Amino acid sequence: EPEVTQTPSHQVTQMGQEVILRCVPISNHLYFYWYRQILGQKVEFLVSFYNNEISEKSEIFDDQFSVERPDGSNFTLKIRSTKLEDSAMYFCASSRSAGELFFGEGSRLTVL
Amino acid sequence: QKEVEQNSGPLSVPEGAIASLNCTYSDRGSQSFFWYRQYSGKSPELIMSIYSNGDKEDGRFTAQLNKASQYVSLLIRDSQPSDSATYLCAVNKSGGSNYKLTFGKGTLLTVNP
Repeated sequence: EPEVTQTPSHQVTQMGQEVILRCVPISNHLYFYWYRQILGQKVEFLVSFYNNEISEKSEIFDDQFSVERPDGSNFTLKIRSTKLEDSAMYFCASSRSAGELFFGEGSRLTVL
Repeated sequence: QKEVEQNSGPLSVPEGAIASLNCTYSDRGSQSFFWYRQYSGKSPELIMSIYSNGDKEDGRFTAQLNKASQYVSLLIRDSQPSDSATYLCAVNKSGGSNYKLTFGKGTLLTVNP
């Protein structure tokens, strides 16, 4: 069964460093997303991406965040200068249509 | 008012019983509704989607939607210990074509053997 894959599974970084989280969405999906979940809290929307551009972003997704689809398969989330409060599980998701999002296993980011 | 509200639980049921999970949402124009299951430390896993008022059954799971009451529920029949997880209600807010989902905080379900 096709699945969304994410790397790395866990990244530890120092505050102020740049981090890139990578995702390979399901191949015939057209919509891509990043969500995050701070420990013990709800899953929060960060950004959606369609047709090679951002279609919607949340207040969390400020200038420190960016997304890119550098080729036909990868979808990346970059955090330019990490802060302590960026520590969370970051989930990539994709969907073909109708809102049925399929999530990857997540990348746990720890900022020290 | 919270956008998607769920009772955080924990909800504890004995094995074989019916577990009933509830969710209310604030955006009356919401069109699509989803239940995800999330095991501790894992990612959300889609269980059910529902788009029209009424019931939708899939195996042991039944989703119920009442748009007039802005209420959606999930029933799990013959609950198994493996059903123990946090159940997330998610709603597709109206407008746009990007299928952004807003999640509730989830209800922790424990099924006791």
